[in-house]
Amino acid sequence: GAVVSQHPSWVICKSGTSVKIECRSLDFQATTMFWYRQFPKQSLMLMATSNEGSKATYEQGVEKDKFLINHASLTLSTLTVTSAHPEDSSFYICSAIPTGSRGKSYNEQFFGPGTRLTVL
Amino acid sequence: GQNIDQPTEMTATEGAIVQINCTYQTSGFNGLFWYQQHAGEAPTFLSYNVLDGLEEKGRFSSFLSRSKGYSYLLLKELQMKDSASYLCAVREGGATNKLIFGTGTLLAVQP
Repeated sequence: GAVVSQHPSWVICKSGTSVKIECRSLDFQATTMFWYRQFPKQSLMLMATSNEGSKATYEQGVEKDKFLINHASLTLSTLTVTSAHPEDSSFYICSAIPTGSRGKSYNEQFFGPGTRLTVL
Repeated sequence: GQNIDQPTEMTATEGAIVQINCTYQTSGFNGLFWYQQHAGEAPTFLSYNVLDGLEEKGRFSSFLSRSKGYSYLLLKELQMKDSASYLCAVREGGATNKLIFGTGTLLAVQP
């Protein structure tokens, strides 16, 4: 159980276009999801916290108008990279925390498989 | 500010034991996680510490000292498949559940 999927797994787009990445919790509901970005040979950097039914909370330095987050249901959050540029090329990973208790007291985050974005 | 440090790379021999250290200075603390990440894949959960001491889970153990801002992950009986990045992550205090990740340690297991 506790599977998180992301779609697409990889995408190549032209500079200036927008790209939408979906994050789904397949067998649980998640009030809170997180979006991370990971550049090659670097660690995960938290971009924003996605909250179902309310606005996302962005980390310092992350442009909310460029990285649009929509958490429309308890199983789906989307990240849209608007007007993508080559410097946005990265590995985008989402994670989700199951709503309610699943036998773990420490609110483990379950990670999706990631989406590799390449902007030409 | 938030600062979580790990060695960048480590090399160890198959069958041996390796210890990966993590030191942290964060504004809040509500637990420390260790994750394993193979290249191009999502991180997978290894361990969680919130109280001082050692948590053992099969070949993997994790230790925490909150007063020293220090943790380590101990891997025993190393296997080739253990070659991966190991990420230390601190959860901030409060109700946010936000994780701040360390720099990550790339472990290479050699025959």
